Amino acid sequence: GQQVMQIPQYQHVQEGEDFTTYCNSSTTLSNIQWYKQRPGGHPVFLIQLVKSGEVKKQKRLTFQFGEAKKNSSLHITATQTTDVGTYFCAGPSGTSYGKLTFGQGTILTVHP
Amino acid sequence: DTAVSQTPKYLVTQMGNDKSIKCEQNLGHDTMYWYKQDSKKFLKIMFSYNNKELIINETVPNRFSPKSPDKAHLNLHINSLELGDSAVYFCASSLGFANTIYFGEGSWLTVV
Repeated sequence: GQQVMQIPQYQHVQEGEDFTTYCNSSTTLSNIQWYKQRPGGHPVFLIQLVKSGEVKKQKRLTFQFGEAKKNSSLHITATQTTDVGTYFCAGPSGTSYGKLTFGQGTILTVHP
Repeated sequence: DTAVSQTPKYLVTQMGNDKSIKCEQNLGHDTMYWYKQDSKKFLKIMFSYNNKELIINETVPNRFSPKSPDKAHLNLHINSLELGDSAVYFCASSLGFANTIYFGEGSWLTVV
């Protein structure tokens, strides 16, 4: 079945450093979604990418969808303590009743 | 108003007991889910319902029985609880399949 792999699993950064998490799918995706889960919280939708090579920005966050639509990345510029949490990518399985398969998540810690 | 609400938020119970978690969404979505998140933050889909009909059952033990009385509600009943059932259970909903998912705040289940 479809697999969505995310690396790294953990990332510790000093406040102000940049951070990137990568997502790779075993199959071509119709879209990719990114979610953020704060410690003790629930996953919250950040963004969806649909087009091959698409790049979207949300303030300090830059999301990219690969040309082959099998990989994606999330880059945070100049991290802040409010960025701590787990970042998940998720992609649909492609079937009619497609489920959203989540990556394992990247747990980001930002040291002040 | 909470979009996806689930109760209880915390649940501590002994092995062998039966417990239920209730979930309601007021977003008008037609698809609802139960996800299980383990201690390593991995989000795994358990069930998906569309308009009260079971669509996805991800090889979950039959001790877990979801029930959807209407498309705004999806409850989860767990029989004969085991230590390994300890996790955070998230209810979620979406409009259609594999679209943006809105998560509830989670139910922290601890089996002792």
